[in-house]
Amino acid sequence: DTEVTQTPKHLVMGMTNKKSLKCEQHMGHRAMYWYKQKAKKPPELMFVYSYEKLSINESVPSRFSPECPNSSLLNLHLHALQPEDSALYLCASSPTSGGNNEQFFGPGTRLTVL
Amino acid sequence: KNQVEQSPQSLIILEGKNCTLQCNYTVSPFSNLRWYKQDTGRGPVSLTIMTFSENTKSNGRYTATLDADTKQSSLHITASQLSDSASYICVVSPSWGYSTLTFGKGTMLLVSP
Repeated sequence: DTEVTQTPKHLVMGMTNKKSLKCEQHMGHRAMYWYKQKAKKPPELMFVYSYEKLSINESVPSRFSPECPNSSLLNLHLHALQPEDSALYLCASSPTSGGNNEQFFGPGTRLTVL
Repeated sequence: KNQVEQSPQSLIILEGKNCTLQCNYTVSPFSNLRWYKQDTGRGPVSLTIMTFSENTKSNGRYTATLDADTKQSSLHITASQLSDSASYICVVSPSWGYSTLTFGKGTMLLVSP
């Protein structure tokens, strides 16, 4: 299995809702990432997990809460989001977190906050 | 500041024609440069990845070149197809033990019938 899967594909939520995005890979990768991508912009790094531990948090608001239950799964818990948080959320994985590792991206979750 | 600049911003070509996309970067130190294809609303898919010692790498109709001295790369698409319509993103990785990538803003390619 050489792909990163993400669920759901689309999500619409109100500002008071709590929801979660899920990401899964079975390539044995030990680094996993969350990115946020607005329309016509490049992806922006949010979080990096290395060996199931949070290693990078790019000053992301606390309404986004990542979780890495095991080496294959990565979640992003959402609470009290704002309309400006509407974006494509991409998950990626790589063998390790070193800069020479290729990152494999999932198809993304299109999030709309009303 | 690490930057990746891509040109043109957008491009329209006729099906069957060739095109070349450009990428200039100021990332230092440098580990590798990747070209990704991203369909609208989908995740990026890797086309090529090159280290500083590689000048050319091909993947089917896609050929990437790298000049590490001038810090320039190009992606050449041969015999374009309608399915090539997408955003092409140049991504540069520093040679740190740290995985932050520097993304270009992409070139939006439209292949017209």
